[in-house]
Amino acid sequence: SQKIEQNSEALNIQEGKTATLTCNYTNYSPAYLQWYRQDPGRGPVFLLLIRENEKEKRKERLKVTFDTTLKQSLFHITASQPADSATYLCALDIKGYGGSQGNLIFGKGTKLSVKP
Amino acid sequence: DAGVIQSPRHEVTEMGQEVTLRCKPISGHNSLFWYRQTMMRGLELLIYFNNNVPIDDSGMPEDRFSAKMPNASFSTLKIQPSEPRDSAVYFCASSSPPGAIWMKAFFGQGTRLTVV
Repeated sequence: SQKIEQNSEALNIQEGKTATLTCNYTNYSPAYLQWYRQDPGRGPVFLLLIRENEKEKRKERLKVTFDTTLKQSLFHITASQPADSATYLCALDIKGYGGSQGNLIFGKGTKLSVKP
Repeated sequence: DAGVIQSPRHEVTEMGQEVTLRCKPISGHNSLFWYRQTMMRGLELLIYFNNNVPIDDSGMPEDRFSAKMPNASFSTLKIQPSEPRDSAVYFCASSSPPGAIWMKAFFGQGTRLTVV
């Protein structure tokens, strides 16, 4: 069966440390993998996208890796801050003709808490 | 642009009543998605439209659920009759069209539905 799993429901780390979140999937062929941030009472907000032929993507303190052999993506936040506390969701953009198939399948998310 | 607009933000209704959730996507976006989020199941795709046409409704849980998109600027999700297990946060999202190089979803604030 098709599954997307994020390694833990919750992750607690100390301010200044690097947070690493994991997203694993089975029986999907994603064209792209995306990461979203969700704050309480709000909808998810797009952060980063990585293509199937890319190994790594960076944006400021964020870094995403994508290993299509392992079927895994890692999401890193370096020098974490209390303001980074939120739920982070990975999403697969399933491969279709011409690129994206046009729908996003989400993992359940990991709730990150950064303590001062 | 005001983003994706959903109404109402909160809805409390009695079991058996009809519930209608509304969504206005971002102007120019050709794809529209309805998701449901619960603690147990995470963010589930219910249905998505491309150019006002339903493409995949395999996520709609039962015949009690129906969705329409009469034009490019409006969509509804209806539950009739509602049941307590339908209680969840319902999100609408819009994005660039499939066949585009990749899609980035913009979410509304969600409608928190409580069925008592």
